[in-house]
Parts: sequence; C-alpha cells; structure tokens
Amino acid sequence: SQQGEEDPQALSIQEGENATMNCSYKTSINNLQWYRQNSGRGLVHLILIRSNEREKHSGRLRVTLDTSKKSSSLLITASRAADTASYFCATDPRTSGSRLTFGEGTQLTVNP
Amino acid sequence: EAGVVQSPRYKIIEKKQPVAFWCNPISGHNTLYWYRQNLGQGPELLIRYENEEAVDDSQLPKDRFSAERLKGVDSTLKIQPAELGDSAVYLCASSSQGGETQYFGPGTRLLVL
Repeated sequence: SQQGEEDPQALSIQEGENATMNCSYKTSINNLQWYRQNSGRGLVHLILIRSNEREKHSGRLRVTLDTSKKSSSLLITASRAADTASYFCATDPRTSGSRLTFGEGTQLTVNP
Repeated sequence: EAGVVQSPRYKIIEKKQPVAFWCNPISGHNTLYWYRQNLGQGPELLIRYENEEAVDDSQLPKDRFSAERLKGVDSTLKIQPAELGDSAVYLCASSSQGGETQYFGPGTRLLVL
C-alpha cells in the first residue's frame, strides 16, 4: 500500500519557472525522502529531510516538512527541460526499519 | 563506482512461464531491496535483505515469488508461474548498513502476455 500521496499528479511548466510538488503521509516518520525517476530509468535520490527538520536545501531544490500536518513539499527553482521526470516522496516510518513507502509520484514536464 | 546492475532490462514471456531477474548491488552494500513498480505508481517493496538474510518479505507473494541472496552479494528474484498481473518494472536497490539512502538499478521491465 502507498502511504504518501503526491499532489498534483501531473505538472507542466515553462523553463525558468518554479515547480512545487506536495506530499502527504499518514504515519509518524523518521525521515522523508524525495526521488526522481526519468522515463524508463531507476530512481535517483534527491534529498532527505529528518522528522526534526523543517526545511532543507540542495542546489535548486528546497524541501519543507510539516510533521503536524504530515506533509512535505519539494520546490524546484529555475526549472530546466532536464528536470522533466517523475518525482516521488518516500517515507521511512518509525516502526519499520528501512522500509521506504513511496507515493504515486508527480509527473513534471518542463517545456523548453 | 559502479551502480546497481540489473539484468535483463526487458523480458517478454507468456503467462504460466517462469522468469528470473538478477541484481548486483553496489560493492559493500549489505542491504538489498526488490521492488515492484506498476505503471503510474510508486515502487512497492517485495523483499529486503540484510546480507544473506531476508529480514522483510511480508509483501512478497510467496505462492509464486521467490528470492535468494546466497552469498550476501548478488540476488535473484523469480516468478513461477507468471501471471498477466505480474507485468511491471522490477527494481533492485541497495544501501549501506544502516544507510538511509537507497540506490536503485535501472529495473527490469516485464511484460506477461
């Protein structure tokens, strides 16, 4: 079963614009991670935010976490055509060790 | 550093046939995962190994799926017999012991006709 739910399911923007994707989850977590998947490829880890952190940056990526609302957002600034991919949030629940539970993903299309 | 290697990349079989997937994790990674990803969905864990021990196989359909990691390095996932609903991408991932980040292979895309 999928714990995370991403919103929107699909997002289409122009190069240079910012893209925001949201993730909601149901149970308490150790950390929340974001992964990217290009078409026909495996997933690539982007960023991890721990339950005691509220915001984290990595290059053009900004992730926020609100544990009271059980939600996270991923912001990609100044998007590029190469950012076109599916983006998944994955939660690491407190009780299940290293079992990541992935959401259904947001399909991002960046038009040149 | 070589990433996670999977083979084959694509497999087309008829229903009721057996199929096997192979994964070689990143060197030194003790933890190995097999996931299934249906079209338009996120990956779902099938089994997790710590070295050669399967520590989480609660979501593996054991009537037709089996997996092994005999020497604690590479792993094989088998389906016998395959059903139409098994069509999906099978992803292998690995992580260092206690590591929180998982590194994924390119996956095997299975089509059951």
